[in-house]
Amino acid sequence: SQQGEEDPQALSIQEGENATMNCSYKTSINNLQWYRQNSGRGLVHLILIRSNEREKHSGRLRVTLDTSKKSSSLLITASRAADTASYFCATTNAGGTSYGKLTFGQGTILTVHP
Amino acid sequence: DAGVTQSPTHLIKTRGQQVTLRCSPKSGHDTVSWYQQALGQGPQFIFQYYEEEERQRGNFPDRFSGHQFPNYSSELNVNALLLGDSALYLCASSYDRATGELFFGEGSRLTVL
Repeated sequence: SQQGEEDPQALSIQEGENATMNCSYKTSINNLQWYRQNSGRGLVHLILIRSNEREKHSGRLRVTLDTSKKSSSLLITASRAADTASYFCATTNAGGTSYGKLTFGQGTILTVHP
Repeated sequence: DAGVTQSPTHLIKTRGQQVTLRCSPKSGHDTVSWYQQALGQGPQFIFQYYEEEERQRGNFPDRFSGHQFPNYSSELNVNALLLGDSALYLCASSYDRATGELFFGEGSRLTVL
């Protein structure tokens, strides 16, 4: 079963604009990751934020994590047409040896128009 | 440095048949996980192999089985195929079990008719 929900399901913007995607989850987590998937192909890891972190940056990506609300957001600044893809959040549950067992959200389809 | 490789990339089977999908992990990785991604959905965890043993399993029936070889490569077998097994099957490998960051292959797209 899916861990939670992503919002919005689809997002359409113009090049140069910022894109914000949200993710909610249900259980306590060790970390939360964001992955990108181009057109039904393999997933590419973008960024990981641990449960004791609140914000993390990587290039044009900014991720926030609010464990009290069980939610995360991914901000892509100055978007490009090449950013067009599906974006998934994935969590690793707290406790136990859950290495490699990620629970994914439903994903947000981002379309960036040139 | 080759990443995660999967074969075949596409295949078509009929109901009741059996299928074997193959995965070679990224160099230096010893853990392989398999995921099923139905159209329009996020990936769902099937199972994970480490040291040639199944370490964790998701909510999938026994028709789904796997194997890991001494060179860390892995196979996913699905018996008695159902129409609902049509999906993209993703293999992911990792070396840092503490972080859970995964490296995914391009997937094997299975269509069951």
